[in-house]
Amino acid sequence: ETGVTQTPRHLVMGMTNKKSLKCEQHLGHNAMYWYKQSAKKPLELMFVYSLEERVENNSVPSRFSPECPNSSHLFLHLHTLQPEDSALYLCASSQVYGGDRGWSNEKLFFGSGTQLSVL
Amino acid sequence: AQKITQTQPGMFVQEKEAVTLDCTYDTSDPSYGLFWYKQPSSGEMIFLIYQGSYDQQNATEGRYSLNFQKARKSANLVISASQLGDSAMYFCAMRALNYQLIWGAGTKLIIKP
Repeated sequence: ETGVTQTPRHLVMGMTNKKSLKCEQHLGHNAMYWYKQSAKKPLELMFVYSLEERVENNSVPSRFSPECPNSSHLFLHLHTLQPEDSALYLCASSQVYGGDRGWSNEKLFFGSGTQLSVL
Repeated sequence: AQKITQTQPGMFVQEKEAVTLDCTYDTSDPSYGLFWYKQPSSGEMIFLIYQGSYDQQNATEGRYSLNFQKARKSANLVISASQLGDSAMYFCAMRALNYQLIWGAGTKLIIKP
């Protein structure tokens, strides 16, 4: 059983569809992340759930909606996406230690990603 | 502003040779951490090595070592005795505040048999 599991591996959707990406971590970590990886661009952090706190990148459009029902599961709900949202979406987890800076030196463990194509 | 620069978009290296992947960073924070990740064609990001800004010695993990030159703000990854399975994208990243990792654009490494 791999540490971080993402489903589906591939997703093709129309701009009017609603779909969800799922992530599950089996590492006992207390933080989970959604990253977007577009071609020829650095990885972009979209959302973080850590220590019962949610941190989000203010540049992420509202058509992306995260949900974290517990420390092991993370979802990314998608609705009315645009073709420019086509990318690889990576989930990650890590162990975060408390502090007012959200600081952690622990490495991230990533899933294999969901390759999303929006038509 | 915090920034990671990887100046080599792609590299070809002969199998069994050593390879150095460049990474320079910019930060005003005295305490930071630097990471290298590998991303094979399967998509998963795989952690390779970590260097803390206060670490006295260069980090090593098996065939991977990090050539950390603090004054020059560089954190180059060195892979000794490259193997065909090392062909992948390699990303340098720096720990920033608020759970952020600042990522470089990556270097595509191809190992030739």
